[in-house]
Amino acid sequence: AQKITQTQPGMFVQEKEAVTLDCTYDTSDPSYGLFWYKQPSSGEMIFLIYQGSYDQQNATEGRYSLNFQKARKSANLVISASQLGDSAMYFCAMRGPYNQGGKLIFGQGTELSVKP
Amino acid sequence: DAGVTQSPTHLIKTRGQQVTLRCSPKSGHDTVSWYQQALGQGPQFIFQYYEEEERQRGNFPDRFSGHQFPNYSSELNVNALLLGDSALYLCASSPRQGGPEAFFGQGTRLTVV
Repeated sequence: AQKITQTQPGMFVQEKEAVTLDCTYDTSDPSYGLFWYKQPSSGEMIFLIYQGSYDQQNATEGRYSLNFQKARKSANLVISASQLGDSAMYFCAMRGPYNQGGKLIFGQGTELSVKP
Repeated sequence: DAGVTQSPTHLIKTRGQQVTLRCSPKSGHDTVSWYQQALGQGPQFIFQYYEEEERQRGNFPDRFSGHQFPNYSSELNVNALLLGDSALYLCASSPRQGGPEAFFGQGTRLTVV
C-alpha cells in the first residue's frame, strides 16, 4: 500500500531564510509521482511542484525545489528565501502511474510559520 | 483561464439531510476527483470520475455518490448526513492524457449540525 509520512507537525523559519519540509513515502510501484501542495487558511490546495519517479533531475519551480532521494524514498520540499506569505499548511502527496489516473495519497501535513 | 471552481463555498446542513456539492474542472481537464479533509488531517480520496463513470473509489460508504456530466463537471452527493461528515470537500481535476498535474478548487466547507 502507498503511504506518505510527514514527521514535522509544525516548523518555524525566519523571513528570507531557507527551510526544508520533510516527506518520506512508501510504494511498491516503480512508476509514481510526488506532489507538494500549499494550503493557506482559506482552504484551497495550491499546487507547488511535481517530481516523477523516473525524472533524473530534482524538480524546481521558482523558490521551490524538491530534493528527491529515490533510494531513501524521500521527497523533501525546500523553500528558499522564505516570505511571510509562505505561512500555511504544506502537504506532500503521492500518486501511482498518472496515465492510469490514480488517487492522491496525502501526508498529515506540516504547518509552516514564517517569522518577520 | 479559470481554474477548478466549486460551489457552494460554505454549507450548513442538519443530520439526516442530503447535500449536493458541485465542481467545474480546469479547462482541458477531463478527470475529476473528490476528497474529504477533516480538520487537522490530510485530504482523503473519495472517488474519481472519467468519461461520466466512477473509475476509482476510496474507503467511503455508499452514502457518498457522484456524477459527471458530458462537459466534465461533477457533483458529489452525500445522503443521510452524519455529524462526522463535517469537513472541507475538495475537488481536483486532471488530464487523463498528457500530464500528471492535479489542480484543486477552493473547497466546500460542510458543517453538519
